Amino acid sequence: DAGITQSPRHKVTETGTPVTLRCHQTENHRYMYWYRQDPGHGLRLIHYSYGVKDTDKGEVSDGYSVSRSKTEDFLLTLESATSSQTSVYFCAISEPGQGYYEQYFGPGTRLTVT
Amino acid sequence: SQQGEEDPQALSIQEGENATMNCSYKTSINNLQWYRQNSGRGLVHLILIRSNEREKHSGRLRVTLDTSKKSSSLLITASRAADTASYFCATDADSYKLIFGSGTRLLVRP
Repeated sequence: DAGITQSPRHKVTETGTPVTLRCHQTENHRYMYWYRQDPGHGLRLIHYSYGVKDTDKGEVSDGYSVSRSKTEDFLLTLESATSSQTSVYFCAISEPGQGYYEQYFGPGTRLTVT
Repeated sequence: SQQGEEDPQALSIQEGENATMNCSYKTSINNLQWYRQNSGRGLVHLILIRSNEREKHSGRLRVTLDTSKKSSSLLITASRAADTASYFCATDADSYKLIFGSGTRLLVRP
């Protein structure tokens, strides 16, 4: 998985609790992304980062925040988890080369909100 | 909203047969990429085709792109059981952001 780790790999939490997922890379790639994957929806972009402290919203950012204080770490926080945020979360990284952005994915975090 | 939509949603073939998956998209693109996802794993990049290319090969993979129809196809020749996975197309909304389709689930029966 291209030097990308995600933690935790599995988490069960209760509605209303805060949750933070961590993505760590050893590739020194500039761009990092958080996606969620749900049946029938493919992958949907939540937030992304184009550098330390530089982040922006994706397609489904409501209820999520991110932070990137170091090149290697990108954190996704669910401020108050809801059942609709039960999903598999993937982190990805990329570094521009030859004019395109191939993305490398982490192993995923399965989050269940009860 | 999703840029890429794959067709069919699921495909079951016998080992040794060819598998063809299609992707349609809505807006102009710079590149189109195909990814594979094995069950319970992250996505893995397979191949990229630029908007000015019509066909590209990589091993047993053949990708075509028709920008006039806003569609692409992925052909896997001489399929193997290990090709069983979900396959996604991804288009670049902005150059560094990808929009993924909902995927085709491929089952290759031994």
